[in-house]
Amino acid sequence: DQQVKQNSPSLSVQEGRISILNCDYTNSMFDYFLWYKKYPAEGPTFLISISSIKDKNEDGRFTVFLNKSAKHLSLHIVPSQPGDSAVYFCAASSDGGSQGNLIFGKGTKLSVKP
Amino acid sequence: GAVVSQHPSWVICKSGTSVKIECRSLDFQATTMFWYRQFPKQSLMLMATSNEGSKATYEQGVEKDKFLINHASLTLSTLTVTSAHPEDSSFYICSASRPPGAGQYFGPGTRLTVT
Repeated sequence: DQQVKQNSPSLSVQEGRISILNCDYTNSMFDYFLWYKKYPAEGPTFLISISSIKDKNEDGRFTVFLNKSAKHLSLHIVPSQPGDSAVYFCAASSDGGSQGNLIFGKGTKLSVKP
Repeated sequence: GAVVSQHPSWVICKSGTSVKIECRSLDFQATTMFWYRQFPKQSLMLMATSNEGSKATYEQGVEKDKFLINHASLTLSTLTVTSAHPEDSSFYICSASRPPGAGQYFGPGTRLTVT
């Protein structure tokens, strides 16, 4: 049973507009959430994270929102750029994001069109 | 920034042979490294946690005798796929732990194809 779900396998957005990537989780023990970006044939790169004690974290064009009651988080990218085109993975951990097991979603492929 | 490298980046081997994949942390010491596997259109699945100087901890369903992990130094962990079969063909990615709350540094991955 998937503990981290990304229900949209793909998303297409026009350059300059907002991209919203969604992620749902089932395990209430998760206390840290991360977003990774991955290009083909490369390893994931860390993008942004959020602790369960917060509901928002912002870093430049990237903002992650966490709704604990709904067990839902989202990544907003604004404005979207063609270079943002990649697969985005949501991940969760139950150890404060320190060392342990990261549970990944299946990813959402974002295409930003010029 | 910190970099994790993997070697080789891709490898093709014959069924029944063994393949070794190296994971190195280039500018930091990693007491803990992780090995993941990703099948097409699937999520990254943790295979094992590799701790320097001790035995690896394997996730349920991962055969420790088939996927041998050695973490002999603070900058190197190796994964050896023994007696590889076509179903072992996958993308293998390692990562190293970062300070608490900062996720993990991932290597670029190794594409293994077993013919």
